[in-house]
Amino acid sequence: DAKTTQPPSMDCAEGRAANLPCNHSTISGNEYVYWYRQIHSQGPQYIIHGLKNNETNEMASLIITEDRKSSTLILPHATLRDTAVYYCIVRANAGGTSYGKLTFGQGTILTVHP
Amino acid sequence: DGGITQSPKYLFRKEGQNVTLSCEQNLNHDAMYWYRQDPGQGLRLIYYSQIVNDFQKGDIAEGYSVSREKKESFPLTVTSAQKNPTAFYLCASSTGGGRAADTQYFGPGTRLTVL
Repeated sequence: DAKTTQPPSMDCAEGRAANLPCNHSTISGNEYVYWYRQIHSQGPQYIIHGLKNNETNEMASLIITEDRKSSTLILPHATLRDTAVYYCIVRANAGGTSYGKLTFGQGTILTVHP
Repeated sequence: DGGITQSPKYLFRKEGQNVTLSCEQNLNHDAMYWYRQDPGQGLRLIYYSQIVNDFQKGDIAEGYSVSREKKESFPLTVTSAQKNPTAFYLCASSTGGGRAADTQYFGPGTRLTVL
């Protein structure tokens, strides 16, 4: 799976949009971009995923650049409950010893403040 | 209410004892996974199962064992052979098939502390 690079931390004011960037310059054509978040001492929560088109669901929007080398997760109106570690993961179809596994990096610590 | 449950949330054991962590899902998912997370670290795959009565080792299977006798259950045993068992253990499930778009959903986790 392609490696991802995220800023270690970001701040956002409550009610404002939080834009979390992710660089995945070595992504290949069959790899999806996934976003999860983890609130302290809880299991990771799935947010959204995409291949090449922009995606939106009830939690967030995912914007993937045309060359697919980077993406941005957008939380449109951040709340204090959105404070968490956000993980960007690039994932290919399973094969060999990587069957099904998700590779979590260090992620971005997003702090939403009043 | 569909989801993945793990029990207990906190578990304490003495060194040298085996301990079994529970993971149950009612999402009708074929695939289930066990990950381990250490403080400030990412998740590492211990074992996975794509179908009932079948499971495969992940990246750090030494000192762990699993069973998959029922579709909804995938218990993990931490044996005395595991040298550093204190960690946060996470169970996940997915529809399976190994496709890149196969989303994994996680349980709340069990924090194991070996004294």
